[in-house]
Amino acid sequence: QKEVEQNSGPLSVPEGAIASLNCTYSDRGSQSFFWYRQYSGKSPELIMFIYSNGDKEDGRFTAQLNKASQYVSLLIRDSQPSDSATYLCAVAGGSYIPTFGRGTSLIVHP
Amino acid sequence: DAGVIQSPRHEVTEMGQEVTLRCKPISGHDYLFWYRQTMMRGLELLIYFNNNVPIDDSGMPEDRFSAKMPNASFSTLKIQPSEPRDSAVYFCASSTTTGRLDTQYFGPGTRLTVL
Repeated sequence: QKEVEQNSGPLSVPEGAIASLNCTYSDRGSQSFFWYRQYSGKSPELIMFIYSNGDKEDGRFTAQLNKASQYVSLLIRDSQPSDSATYLCAVAGGSYIPTFGRGTSLIVHP
Repeated sequence: DAGVIQSPRHEVTEMGQEVTLRCKPISGHDYLFWYRQTMMRGLELLIYFNNNVPIDDSGMPEDRFSAKMPNASFSTLKIQPSEPRDSAVYFCASSTTTGRLDTQYFGPGTRLTVL
């Protein structure tokens, strides 16, 4: 059984701070890792994906992958109230079958 | 482009009734995916098609669920008979020739409530 674990939160951070979201996965054969943002009542929106160990940056977002520890994280710098949403971590192997975590709720307060 | 279109957006039905959810993928996309999202289980892939052919249906929960893709621009997910535990948001997604998760575009979803 492939599992992806996320703390459900809510994670509350002040505006302008760094929000750190974490995800662990069980399948060592996982090859691709994704972060989605989902606003209440909306569909998931892809923010970042990463395939190799290390960091990948895109604007205010940084994804960090450590395959040895089976750990992937998402950092959001200069957090804004509009970043308040649920963040889903997803992991996939060689097929197109992803496993999603249940998400972490992020609240950015002014 | 209109994006992935799903209908209905909301469906309320009674236990035992047949439910049909519909999806129109983005024109030119070769892959179509059906997902289900619940609070308890999160987002799960139910089945996916490539060029209208079902490739993997291992996520379909039981025989009450069936999916078809009669042509490149239309797919249905049917639940017969429906049960209260089927209440969830059902998303359809389509993607280009790679099928990878990062190439998938999600539709707005259908919120199903089974009473």
